[in-house]
Amino acid sequence: EPEVTQTPSHQVTQMGQEVILRCVPISNHLYFYWYRQILGQKVEFLVSFYNNEISEKSEIFDDQFSVERPDGSNFTLKIRSTKLEDSAMYFCASRPGHGADNEQFFGPGTRLTVL
Amino acid sequence: DAKTTQPNSMESNEEEPVHLPCNHSTISGTDYIHWYRQLPSQGPEYVIHGLTSNVNNRMASLAIAEDRKSSTLILHRATLRDAAVYYCILWVEGSNYKLTFGKGTLLTVNP
Repeated sequence: EPEVTQTPSHQVTQMGQEVILRCVPISNHLYFYWYRQILGQKVEFLVSFYNNEISEKSEIFDDQFSVERPDGSNFTLKIRSTKLEDSAMYFCASRPGHGADNEQFFGPGTRLTVL
Repeated sequence: DAKTTQPNSMESNEEEPVHLPCNHSTISGTDYIHWYRQLPSQGPEYVIHGLTSNVNNRMASLAIAEDRKSSTLILHRATLRDAAVYYCILWVEGSNYKLTFGKGTLLTVNP
């Protein structure tokens, strides 16, 4: 069964460093998302991406964040200068297309630890 | 975003049915009711969704009140693997299909 994959599973970085979290969405899916979950808190929407551009972003997704789909398979989240409060699980998700009958498929997540 | 209200936690015994309630009194006519769950240390996972009619799939059933202001996710025979946080989410068509998660209901299944 197709699945969303994410690498690495755990990333440790120093404050101020840049990190790139990678995702391979399910082939032929059209919508791509990043969410994050700080330990013990809710899953929060960060950004949605459709037709090679950001379709919506949350307040969390400030200038330090960017997303890219550099080729036909990868979808990346870059944090330019990490802060301690960026420590969280980051989940990538993808969706086949339009309409209510399409569910979102989530990856297993990348745990980001900022020291 | 339309709001949902769920109990913080519920407990069940293995092999018994579980009814997880969700209130969504401000639902509008075109909002879909989606349920996702998050198993420990995993990403969220789709469970079921509906608009007006009750729905069944291999994982669960969704019972939607006639006025659509509440719904109930039904797990017919809970297993230990069903222990998770269950999220009831109102999904607005055309809203880039993002999911807005609340705190959900933590379901504990006792052996």
